[in-house]
Amino acid sequence: DAGVIQSPRHEVTEMGQEVTLRCKPISGHDYLFWYRQTMMRGLELLIYFNNNVPIDDSGMPEDRFSAKMPNASFSTLKIQPSEPRDSAVYFCASSPDRDPYNEQFFGPGTRLTVL
Amino acid sequence: KNQVEQSPQSLIILEGKNCTLQCNYTVSPFSNLRWYKQDTGRGPVSLTIMTFSENTKSNGRYTATLDADTKQSSLHITASQLSDSASYICVVSLLTFNAGNMLTFGGGTRLMVKP
Repeated sequence: DAGVIQSPRHEVTEMGQEVTLRCKPISGHDYLFWYRQTMMRGLELLIYFNNNVPIDDSGMPEDRFSAKMPNASFSTLKIQPSEPRDSAVYFCASSPDRDPYNEQFFGPGTRLTVL
Repeated sequence: KNQVEQSPQSLIILEGKNCTLQCNYTVSPFSNLRWYKQDTGRGPVSLTIMTFSENTKSNGRYTATLDADTKQSSLHITASQLSDSASYICVVSLLTFNAGNMLTFGGGTRLMVKP
């Protein structure tokens, strides 16, 4: 298995532009998580899906952020309009089920820079 | 409030030396504790997992300990190698059915191994 796949790996954009991050979870995993990592705040959960349905989006910073999971093998995180403070590394992770002993498998991340 | 505190924030050691990283947590009810290794530019990868009843767990040169009474864990690295240079993140799981908030992340320890 190729693991969790994210694209792009790096994104540089200007303030006000729309940014779309993409994630392909590990096949067969029921849960998908979007995280943001910064030096100041570490890893923060933004939103997670179970069987393609958003369960908890309380970590989404504001209405500029939205996430979708149209099918079991694809999810997007969109920021519109982007701001410099959105600069961070965004990780997608997937997990086989809700057993807390199960590991979350992380993708390589997308490093976003908003100028 | 559920928190995970790690120390030190950063550490520099010489190749071949041992080191110990610390993790203190206030997460309750506790389910399990994982140590993740995050190489630069990559997502976190699980090294060890320990449940309430486990005191120690080894993975090669990595040995994790857990004291559930004092809510402390340590990760000991033996005979360090240059490839051990990474961030090490302590992650504590809540005993909960809510997959989204079951993980509390520490801020990580950034380890640099020098030749």
